[in-house]
Amino acid sequence: DAGVTQSPTHLIKTRGQQVTLRCSPKSGHDTVSWYQQALGQGPQFIFQYYEEEERQRGNFPDRFSGHQFPNYSSELNVNALLLGDSALYLCASSEGGRHLNTGELFFGEGSRLTVL
Amino acid sequence: DQQVKQNSPSLSVQEGRISILNCDYTNSMFDYFLWYKKYPAEGPTFLISISSIKDKNEDGRFTVFLNKSAKHLSLHIVPSQPGDSAVYFCAASLYGSARQLTFGSGTQLTVLP
Repeated sequence: DAGVTQSPTHLIKTRGQQVTLRCSPKSGHDTVSWYQQALGQGPQFIFQYYEEEERQRGNFPDRFSGHQFPNYSSELNVNALLLGDSALYLCASSEGGRHLNTGELFFGEGSRLTVL
Repeated sequence: DQQVKQNSPSLSVQEGRISILNCDYTNSMFDYFLWYKKYPAEGPTFLISISSIKDKNEDGRFTVFLNKSAKHLSLHIVPSQPGDSAVYFCAASLYGSARQLTFGSGTQLTVLP
């Protein structure tokens, strides 16, 4: 049973460029959340997708956008990249009903973004 | 404004002894607390959780204690093993926020053989 898979694992971009990160949730999961983890810090909530809609959003600018597809996979897009966007981007999936009771998430290994 | 704080960035303990990792929070509306551990080059993995209506939850070698009046929780690992060496994150969530997790900054636990 495949867990949460993310791609690419590493990428390098320059300031002003745009990036798309992809995530496939664990089998049976319908909810996808994205987190940003800067160096030396804990993950920070970006947004959550359920039934192809953004259900909740954290304190991130509109440059961060996302999408969820009918097969529950998801993309995170970041426009006009800044140096401060350099971080590990984590995708997490959950089963909608159980998730709302406990908040337990299954994380992927992350996509390491470096902005030069 | 950090709502969840882990004030110890690192902790070293001897194999077989107890490891105690601490976490403080400020938002009294949090109703569920979780611990995740993270190995290098891997995503965080769920370890143990506790509801705010309880003060203790055990799972094998891992026990989480919650002190709501002090807004403090702790994770006890007994006995500690070298394979427990990882970064441990405390996280909190509240119902109605789509259960988004608010994480602490993590504690690097090193268990010495």
